[in-house]
Amino acid sequence: DAGVIQSPRHEVTEMGQEVTLRCKPISGHNSLFWYRQTMMRGLELLIYFNNNVPIDDSGMPEDRFSAKMPNASFSTLKIQPSEPRDSAVYFCASTVKPGQREDTQYFGPGTRLTVL
Amino acid sequence: AQKVTQAQTEISVVEKEDVTLDCVYETRDTTYYLFWYKQPPSGELVFLIRRNSFDEQNEISGRYSWNFQKSTSSFNFTITASQVVDSAVYFCALSEDGSGNTGKLIFGQGTTLQVKP
Repeated sequence: DAGVIQSPRHEVTEMGQEVTLRCKPISGHNSLFWYRQTMMRGLELLIYFNNNVPIDDSGMPEDRFSAKMPNASFSTLKIQPSEPRDSAVYFCASTVKPGQREDTQYFGPGTRLTVL
Repeated sequence: AQKVTQAQTEISVVEKEDVTLDCVYETRDTTYYLFWYKQPPSGELVFLIRRNSFDEQNEISGRYSWNFQKSTSSFNFTITASQVVDSAVYFCALSEDGSGNTGKLIFGQGTTLQVKP
């Protein structure tokens, strides 16, 4: 079975440019999470969706960040305009059951974003 | 507030040594879930184990074992007879009981394990 798929795996862009990261959750999973990993802050949750509906976006750092989940098999995280401090690895994860603490989150391979 | 502490930033061992990675958590919930993930040099996050707060039995999976002790709020991870392939960053995580039973994970800062040949 395919795991969580993220694209691109690496992205290098210049400050001010728009960046779009993509995620395809595991088929049949109903919750999707976006995390960011940096040396300074470690792994932190940005936003998550249950059944395609955004539930908690309190981790989104600024209005420059936005996320959508138009259907059960696709989500995007967009940064516009990007800044050097947005450089990080962005992970997408999915779980089967919405809102269940015990459910295991399976992570994608991550997108390494570098903003020059 | 929920918190996960992995006090060991880096550990270096020689192959075949046993090594224990510590994890201490804080939560006011009576029901919670703990996880361990492995992040090898390739960067992906690999799920290792999930444990709920009602099950304090230790678990063993091959060379891996986990010791969960509610009395000390710890969920430690031991690798027996370590191998070079075990070199990775290991994260302990706590499933938070926010509003709506979210399943949001709170991660520790990670422990970098280096196993030398």
